[in-house]
Amino acid sequence: DTGVSQDPRHKITKRGQNVTFRCDPISEHNRLYWYRQTLGQGPEFLTYFQNEAQLEKSRLLSDRFSAERPKGSFSTLEIQRTEQGDSAMYLCASSFTGPPADTQYFGPGTRLTVL
Amino acid sequence: AQTVTQSQPEMSVQEAETVTLSCTYDTSESDYYLFWYKQPPSRQMILVIRQEAYKQQNATENRFSVNFQKAAKSFSLKISDSQLGDAAMYFCAYDTGNQFYFGTGTSLTVIP
Repeated sequence: DTGVSQDPRHKITKRGQNVTFRCDPISEHNRLYWYRQTLGQGPEFLTYFQNEAQLEKSRLLSDRFSAERPKGSFSTLEIQRTEQGDSAMYLCASSFTGPPADTQYFGPGTRLTVL
Repeated sequence: AQTVTQSQPEMSVQEAETVTLSCTYDTSESDYYLFWYKQPPSRQMILVIRQEAYKQQNATENRFSVNFQKAAKSFSLKISDSQLGDAAMYFCAYDTGNQFYFGTGTSLTVIP
């Protein structure tokens, strides 16, 4: 198993454009999480899925953000009408629920720069 | 509201010495998990150690151990025999299974 992968690793976009990020979790993991991390801060939880169901969304997740995990495998995070404040590292993590309870394994992140 | 506080933005330690990183959290839950993650510069976050709140025994992983004080809501990380490769940002994290919070991190420098 190669771990959690994210694509792209870097994205530069102009304000107002839409961007989409992909996350491929560890294959046997049923939970997938999205976080946002800005410079000098810890990750902030955005949302998570158990299989294909989106179970929790943070208040940080504005209407411009949407996430999907259509077949319970990979997930996409889309940001519409990007703003400069969206510039951050977007982290994906995955875990398996069940004893012992889940430990999240993180991907390398997608660094978004909005000009 | 649940929060995780790391009061030491930066710490340094001499190689081979011991250092303790502090973490406190606020929660009304009784069942949760606590983690320490390490994020080396420009590299991905990796798990250092985890602790289940229902377990009284402090977790240990080789040179890494925690001091978990549930009543005080404190979860500190002790790194023994510090090595150059331990230099990184360390994040304390709290997980109820549906709520996930990270602290702001402690940047650890290891001095040769």
